[in-house]
Amino acid sequence: DGGITQSPKYLFRKEGQNVTLSCEQNLNHDAMYWYRQDPGQGLRLIYYSQIVNDFQKGDIAEGYSVSREKKESFPLTVTSAQKNPTAFYLCASSTRTGFTGNQPQHFGDGTRLSIL
Amino acid sequence: QKEVEQDPGPLSVPEGAIVSLNCTYSNSAFQYFMWYRQYSRKGPELLMYTYSSGNKEDGRFTAQVDKSSKYISLFIRDSQPSDSATYLCAMLGAGGTSYGKLTFGQGTILTVHP
Repeated sequence: DGGITQSPKYLFRKEGQNVTLSCEQNLNHDAMYWYRQDPGQGLRLIYYSQIVNDFQKGDIAEGYSVSREKKESFPLTVTSAQKNPTAFYLCASSTRTGFTGNQPQHFGDGTRLSIL
Repeated sequence: QKEVEQDPGPLSVPEGAIVSLNCTYSNSAFQYFMWYRQYSRKGPELLMYTYSSGNKEDGRFTAQVDKSSKYISLFIRDSQPSDSATYLCAMLGAGGTSYGKLTFGQGTILTVHP
């Protein structure tokens, strides 16, 4: 089945530690996104990538980093600079961000990150 | 002021009721409107997508957009317990800083009880 796979489902971070969240898609989508979801705040965009080897900051990029070395993969690193990392992290993909037609974003099932 | 406002609820209705979920927005650049459904501990699932003012129907779901009032709605007819979830409105701009980037409402928690 085509879809977006996020791993792990649950992740714990110690103080001063960097952790990496995995996102893989087999939908042949060009664009990929990372969102953070906190209770009562909806989803907020962290980073997005329109093509391989290119990515842009979203609204809350501080304390996060990404890479896009392959079309299928868009890992997110939560660095020690992110002081409030506890949240539900969602990865999404779409055919492209430029809007010329029906191009909804499709989501994975998320990774819940907590602080130890 | 947030660009997209959505009443978080929670909203509790009996099975079979008609549910109305609403969002308002302030950014005139928003031209594309979506409703997502999110079950607990899962990612959002696209329910409805529309880009013109008026109504769009899909089974028990109707999406309504009024661009002049900057107001969108999702109606659920004959609601079922399986409709219990968080409903998120999302909007995407056709230009400016909102181009190609989804902006979400806070989500409304809906419970349909038998």
